[in-house]
Amino acid sequence: AQSVTQPDIHITVSEGASLELRCNYSYGATPYLFWYVQSPGQGLQLLLKYFSGDTLVQGIKGFEAEFKRSQSSFNLRKPSVHWSDAAEYFCAVVPEGGRRALTFGSGTRLQVQP
Amino acid sequence: GAGVSQSPSNKVTEKGKDVELRCDPISGHTALYWYRQSLGQGLEFLIYFQGNSAPDKSGLPSDRFSAERTGGSVSTLTIQRTQQEDSAVYLCASTPGETQYFGPGTRLLVL
Repeated sequence: AQSVTQPDIHITVSEGASLELRCNYSYGATPYLFWYVQSPGQGLQLLLKYFSGDTLVQGIKGFEAEFKRSQSSFNLRKPSVHWSDAAEYFCAVVPEGGRRALTFGSGTRLQVQP
Repeated sequence: GAGVSQSPSNKVTEKGKDVELRCDPISGHTALYWYRQSLGQGLEFLIYFQGNSAPDKSGLPSDRFSAERTGGSVSTLTIQRTQQEDSAVYLCASTPGETQYFGPGTRLLVL
């Protein structure tokens, strides 16, 4: 069965600092990979996705993620964090081709200090 | 354009009552998913509708949970005889293919 691990439950960074949120997956093949963000009391908003091709993908709000097959990782990065980035971030996978339910990591809660 | 909408946004009910949660997907999206988000269990898949095919109900936690999708559009998730452990946020997502777009969720509290 596929699984997703987000090892950091809670991260605190200063505004303007860089950010990297970790995501590792366990799956027999290369799945489709997603990052979603959830602000308090809100639903999930898609930040970016990787299906194939260039392993560095750009998303909304200045986020990017890099797929590393050898490490089964799909880490999310942002060069300079803004206070409005405080939220919970979820990594998710689905078997290649999609059309199946997402398997989510447990999430990483990001706090931004002024 | 309009995103996925869900109603009600919040629902408080008494243990043992039935509740209905509604999801309006993005127009033209052929597939619809329900997930549950709870403190202890994270985000869990409940049920999946794809076009006119039989739904994938493999994630429903008990026979108290059911869902239908009428006319390939609106979906209703019904929880019968609610229990306190049903308290959670219920999220709906729709997709035209591989990428799922989520609604704001319904927060259910069972007293």
